[in-house]
Amino acid sequence: QKEVEQDPGPLSVPEGAIVSLNCTYSNSAFQYFMWYRQYSRKGPELLMYTYSSGNKEDGRFTAQVDKSSKYISLFIRDSQPSDSATYLCAIPAVGSARQLTFGSGTQLTVLP
Amino acid sequence: DGGITQSPKYLFRKEGQNVTLSCEQNLNHDAMYWYRQDPGQGLRLIYYSQIVNDFQKGDIAEGYSVSREKKESFPLTVTSAQKNPTAFYLCATTEGVEQYFGPGTRLTVT
Repeated sequence: QKEVEQDPGPLSVPEGAIVSLNCTYSNSAFQYFMWYRQYSRKGPELLMYTYSSGNKEDGRFTAQVDKSSKYISLFIRDSQPSDSATYLCAIPAVGSARQLTFGSGTQLTVLP
Repeated sequence: DGGITQSPKYLFRKEGQNVTLSCEQNLNHDAMYWYRQDPGQGLRLIYYSQIVNDFQKGDIAEGYSVSREKKESFPLTVTSAQKNPTAFYLCATTEGVEQYFGPGTRLTVT
């Protein structure tokens, strides 16, 4: 079993839709949870990170962590064509905030 | 203009040749990383270095080598022993919990 599993997609939605991107993880000791966004042929950039269970909101983006289910989600409200990218969940290794384990990524396309 | 530079953006090589990918940073970060990205597989860690003159193998180090002679530079050599070298290679640095990525080098070996 992989340490981090991500819904593979691809996902195609109309502009304005609410998008849900999801990952599960296996190690209950994981503490930080991150979402990276990667535009085509570019390096990933950090979108959001959370430390604990619950929700964290940043504009149209909400990161949600459910530690009891080992489930993390990223919601995008009022999606825009500029949100079209690959979204990767990432979790730092236990005992090290520096080594990240990445999900396989979900490619999102928002259609105008 | 601070950041991470990777060159070249595209690289083509014949099978059996070693090739070195460049990664330079002016962020003054201690830790540097090399990842490989294949379609549908996310990022996999090749090597990382926490300080100058020290580096550790990641999950898929076979067929690769690195050096860290300067804080700013962490070049990756893809050797002829790497069975499947065609991929997108990403260099990263770390500050706190956040990793910063370079623009990547797309290597094609034929």
